[in-house]
Amino acid sequence: GAVVSQHPSWVICKSGTSVKIECRSLDFQATTMFWYRQFPKQSLMLMATSNEGSKATYEQGVEKDKFLINHASLTLSTLTVTSAHPEDSSFYICRAGASGTDPFGDPYEQYFGPGTRLTVT
Amino acid sequence: AQTVTQSQPEMSVQEAETVTLSCTYDTSESDYYLFWYKQPPSRQMILVIRQEAYKQQNATENRFSVNFQKAAKSFSLKISDSQLGDAAMYFCAYGGSQGNLIFGKGTKLSVKP
Repeated sequence: GAVVSQHPSWVICKSGTSVKIECRSLDFQATTMFWYRQFPKQSLMLMATSNEGSKATYEQGVEKDKFLINHASLTLSTLTVTSAHPEDSSFYICRAGASGTDPFGDPYEQYFGPGTRLTVT
Repeated sequence: AQTVTQSQPEMSVQEAETVTLSCTYDTSESDYYLFWYKQPPSRQMILVIRQEAYKQQNATENRFSVNFQKAAKSFSLKISDSQLGDAAMYFCAYGGSQGNLIFGKGTKLSVKP
């Protein structure tokens, strides 16, 4: 079945450095990847949508120069947090878009990655 | 723009009892999907149930069922025979035809033994 992985599962970095988070669809081709951010005790907020081979579309208020998204292949999308600051500390989750006519795919498959906890000190 | 509202930040239920979580949404689209997701402490998002807007019949999945009122834009989740493992954050989500998901703020469900 559909499996989406994220790496790393957690990362601690110093303020001013950059961090790259990988999201892989392990057994299917994801033409679209969605990136979400979740602050503690809050909901998931969509940051950007990326289509393979195209530039990502960012939600209002999300700095595209700070959160670099690359979707170079059908199985890999990366989110790079550049010049990270403590306020970027959050839980980042990717979701792979399903292929086929149903935009949400098989309801019995898992399309969310397990998430990456980023702590910036 | 679409919005999703969950008016119950926290809910509690006794084990083996039934609980209903509320959700309302707003949209001008005619073709869409609605979901309930469970997020346990591991924070992995788990799909509980989904409803296609064009289907009049309410979706059911074992102990989970929904009450979908399209005209009222309401989409509540009923959990029957609640189990300790049901304790988690529950998010109602709206799915557009392009595959985007918009989440409500969530309801924290506690299950008392």
